[in-house]
Amino acid sequence: AQSVTQLGSHVSVSEGALVLLRCNYSSSVPPYLFWYVQYPNQGLQLLLKYTTGATLVKGINGFEAEFKKSETSFHLTKPSAHMSDAAEYFCAVSDETGGFKTIFGAGTRLFVKA
Amino acid sequence: EAGVAQSPRYKIIEKRQSVAFWCNPISGHATLYWYQQILGQGPKLLIQFQNNGVVDDSQLPKDRFSAERLKGVDSTLKIQPAKLEDSAVYLCASRRDSLNSPLHFGNGTRLTVT
Repeated sequence: AQSVTQLGSHVSVSEGALVLLRCNYSSSVPPYLFWYVQYPNQGLQLLLKYTTGATLVKGINGFEAEFKKSETSFHLTKPSAHMSDAAEYFCAVSDETGGFKTIFGAGTRLFVKA
Repeated sequence: EAGVAQSPRYKIIEKRQSVAFWCNPISGHATLYWYQQILGQGPKLLIQFQNNGVVDDSQLPKDRFSAERLKGVDSTLKIQPAKLEDSAVYLCASRRDSLNSPLHFGNGTRLTVT
């Protein structure tokens, strides 16, 4: 069965600092991995996805993530945080055994200090 | 393309009352999902439809929750009777028939049960 673990329910960084949000997954077959962002009172929006091919994927707003099969990880990074990055971030996994089912982690709330 | 539409945006009811939420997915998206997002948690899958058939409803509390997707387009999620612990945001999402396609979310319905 699929599962997702996000380490750290809250992360606080200063504006301009590196953002690192951690995600580990469990899947019995090659996974499809996603990061979504949720702003207050809104639905989730896709940041980036990994399906096959290049393990370093780039998304919107300067975010990127690297798929590391040996570590079963898909950590999200951004070199320089901006105040507008403050939001909740969710890692998600999907695979063929789940029949298109997408499982989400518990989320990490990112705070950006001026 | 038009996004996923959900209504109402907010609903307040008393426990033991009934409530219904409506979702219209993106045109052409065969797969539709209902998620429950309790404050501070990640979205939890309630039910997944492929066209008008149920693919997965293992997490749906069937004694009080029901969902349908007539004609394989829009969908309704109902709770009857509601409990206090049903207070949450109910998110509808849709996707194309491909594992590497992301979910597209509506803005959700925030339910408060008093």
